[in-house]
Amino acid sequence: GAGVSQSPSNKVTEKGKDVELRCDPISGHTALYWYRQSLGQGLEFLIYFQGNSAPDKSGLPSDRFSAERTGGSVSTLTIQRTQQEDSAVYLCASSLDWTADYEQYFGPGTRLTVT
Amino acid sequence: AQRVTQPEKLLSVFKGAPVELKCNYSYSGSPELFWYVQYSRQRLQLLLRHISRESIKGFTADLNKGETSFHLKKPFAQEEDSAMYYCALSGRGNAGNMLTFGGGTRLMVKP
Repeated sequence: GAGVSQSPSNKVTEKGKDVELRCDPISGHTALYWYRQSLGQGLEFLIYFQGNSAPDKSGLPSDRFSAERTGGSVSTLTIQRTQQEDSAVYLCASSLDWTADYEQYFGPGTRLTVT
Repeated sequence: AQRVTQPEKLLSVFKGAPVELKCNYSYSGSPELFWYVQYSRQRLQLLLRHISRESIKGFTADLNKGETSFHLKKPFAQEEDSAMYYCALSGRGNAGNMLTFGGGTRLMVKP
């Protein structure tokens, strides 16, 4: 079946604007993860969902970042008042359940460039 | 806090040579260790995990708790192994299974 999909694949925005990044997980996967891949920080965890709830938001770098998940499926990561340091590839992953027994499947990522 | 270190950013070998990509970790509990691979223009994908103790594409990795290492090895590198490799850790029992990644090692296999 289809894997994890993300949109847009590329996004260029001006500093100060808000952006929304979308993730469609594999159907039936209850756990969903957001990661960020940047030159300075490598791959870092942002937030995870189990169903529609986000028990761990510890990785969000600032209060400009928020995420939601509706219907236990699609998730949106929103960055308000973007800054240049937000430029990165944002990766989404999903897994059947939240424990380490289940493999995380990654999407192709959204490349965000803040000018 | 959990941390994963991959000391080599780039590893270049000739086809047929042995390969070892190093990974060290720090974690106070019982970790789950993984190797992920990203081929050019492809998405990040799981290569292998320590708990399954299997060999994938000729690669193996053994968890050494005494040395807190999880090095990835292959006896004879192939050109198609050229990719970015990431070592990752998940704290067993931690809610959420979020992964902590190392900085990655780019493997280049020359003909």
